[in-house]
Amino acid sequence: QVQLQQWGAGLLKPSETLSLTCAVHGGSFSDYYWSWIRQPPGKGLEWIGEINHNGSTSYNPSLKSRVTISVDTSKNQFSLRLSSVTAADTAVYYCAREAYSYGYLYWGQGTLVTVSS
Amino acid sequence: SYELTQPPSVSVSPRQTARITCSADTLPKQYAYWYQKKPGQAPVLVIYKDTERPSGIPERFSGSSSGTTVTLTISGVQAEDEADYYCQSADSSGTYWVFGGGTKLTVL
Repeated sequence: QVQLQQWGAGLLKPSETLSLTCAVHGGSFSDYYWSWIRQPPGKGLEWIGEINHNGSTSYNPSLKSRVTISVDTSKNQFSLRLSSVTAADTAVYYCAREAYSYGYLYWGQGTLVTVSS
Repeated sequence: SYELTQPPSVSVSPRQTARITCSADTLPKQYAYWYQKKPGQAPVLVIYKDTERPSGIPERFSGSSSGTTVTLTISGVQAEDEADYYCQSADSSGTYWVFGGGTKLTVL
């Protein structure tokens, strides 16, 4: 049984850095890509980026300058940092597991992050 | 920037067939995936690699591909299928993923 459990600060002020972590329970950590995806209120899903166990990353070009995704294989965890947040970054953030060509089958529970002064 | 185009909304009566399309020039070269999204819940993968259905997804969900358009078909729509549906695919070089804008399926 694969479970993704995520946590992080839910309320930020503009210009602060968003930080979320996702812990993976069950299954192999090294055989997959680990992603962050968000959904602003009333809007669609947006892919943020992904990382594998070797630390190889890929980011959404529109967010690349502000995003860092890192991995801690000793804890089976991966993390998201998004700098210089604004109200436009208010969203529910999800972590998810991608099996190459098999889509996102497993998701975290979602974390609502609100950016407000 | 790369985009996947979906209709904003589709409406269908119960037991009828719903078809949701997703279009992009790269779809002949890249697989498409479909997700069901209900409020307050994480997305659920309903179709992968254009036409494959994950274990546990009802057979009424199917996917197809033709040229630059992929289609999610829900046969015999049930009230519980009312949700937002998103397609996902990769850019032409397979460097990053993109989601379509989403389609709200309303069961009349």
